[in-house]
Amino acid sequence: GNSVTQMEGPVTLSEEAFLTINCTYTATGYPSLFWYVQYPGEGLQLLLKATKADDKGSNKGFEATYRKETTSFHLEKGSVQVSDSAVYFCALMGYGNNRLAFGKGNQVVVIP
Amino acid sequence: KAGVTQTPRYLIKTRGQQVTLSCSPISGHRSVSWYQQTPGQGLQFLFEYFSETQRNKGNFPGRFSGRQFSNSRSEMNVSTLELGDSALYLCASSLGTGDTYEQYFGPGTRLTVT
Repeated sequence: GNSVTQMEGPVTLSEEAFLTINCTYTATGYPSLFWYVQYPGEGLQLLLKATKADDKGSNKGFEATYRKETTSFHLEKGSVQVSDSAVYFCALMGYGNNRLAFGKGNQVVVIP
Repeated sequence: KAGVTQTPRYLIKTRGQQVTLSCSPISGHRSVSWYQQTPGQGLQFLFEYFSETQRNKGNFPGRFSGRQFSNSRSEMNVSTLELGDSALYLCASSLGTGDTYEQYFGPGTRLTVT
């Protein structure tokens, strides 16, 4: 079945540092890939998406490129702010299947 | 455009009771999906309703059920509550048609079973 693996553990970094969160997936066919963000006490917000190989999703300074050859969709941001502190989830959806499979999530803490 | 709304936001129930959660999707969206979020299991898909019909189902016991009304609002019911049902229940709405179904989430209902 479809599955998503995110790197283990929280990520703590200083303001203006470079952020990378790794995400790899297992899926049949051609899934769509997503990054969601969850702030404390809230639901999930769609951050960005990519629907086919080599697509780059981007939003609010965050980027991720759909790499079919490495089955990856790593999230990056060049200069994080304290307001980026949240939990980030990588997710996939099989083609024509309205069902998201999520990774375990990564807590990101940005220190001033 | 108003977002996805869920009611109630918080619930405390006792083992053995049943509970009903409600979700109102974004206007124009015909699909509603439900997810359970727990610290141990993470985010797990429960089921999806589209045009009043269950279209997808996850691996949860039959105590978890749902339905969708003609206005696309959806309810989820959990009967005979167990301690392990304590979780954040999230609903997500989407158009439900087309190539990619972007899902938009509500704030969730926090259920505590004592």
